[in-house]
Amino acid sequence: QQQVKQSPQSLIVQKGGIPIINCAYENTAFDYFPWYQQFPGKGPALLIAIRPDVSEKKEGRFTISFNKSAKQFSLHIMDSQPGDSATYFCAARSPEYGNKLVFGAGTILRVKS
Amino acid sequence: DAGVIQSPRHEVTEMGQEVTLRCKPISGHNSLFWYRQTMMRGLELLIYFNNNVPIDDSGMPEDRFSAKMPNASFSTLKIQPSEPRDSAVYFCASSSRQGSEKLFFGSGTQLSVL
Repeated sequence: QQQVKQSPQSLIVQKGGIPIINCAYENTAFDYFPWYQQFPGKGPALLIAIRPDVSEKKEGRFTISFNKSAKQFSLHIMDSQPGDSATYFCAARSPEYGNKLVFGAGTILRVKS
Repeated sequence: DAGVIQSPRHEVTEMGQEVTLRCKPISGHNSLFWYRQTMMRGLELLIYFNNNVPIDDSGMPEDRFSAKMPNASFSTLKIQPSEPRDSAVYFCASSSRQGSEKLFFGSGTQLSVL
């Protein structure tokens, strides 16, 4: 119930490609779904987030698609660049568990130039 | 703003030794979180504080781990005695209020227990 399952574990795309990272959850009480980006040697940083009453959110080249009925959400990176190479984590927040964030296992993305 | 500051950046110690990790949250933030990151288990929440009070320590693995927040600008995570399986990157994060949607993470402490 508290888990967020993330896939794939790693991903390699060519520059300009559109990597897609997927997450699935079970707990319908989750009310906030952020994505964090982590570069080597750094802590995760908030990239973009969505609430379950919205099906899509775009910020620059990053888009979250949200499917409430399927309990799935995904991150799309348009026109990916080598600088986007990082580890990406999806997460979910549950108010019934003190608003704690539960993180997915992470996806290591490499964008080849 | 300097962001969340953690020290040390790297710590190498021998099994059985005491380890203390330190964190200075962003000024004005009143929620503080300690996370552990490993390849096997990903990012795990160990404990979080609100207004210096521990709210949820259910993620603390065992009695060898303890955390304190004596004031709004400082927190420690202590492991005594340390074991090789404690080797991980430990992150501290802060947010402006309890339930806030944006966590600001420090750069982490890479702990190696030999």
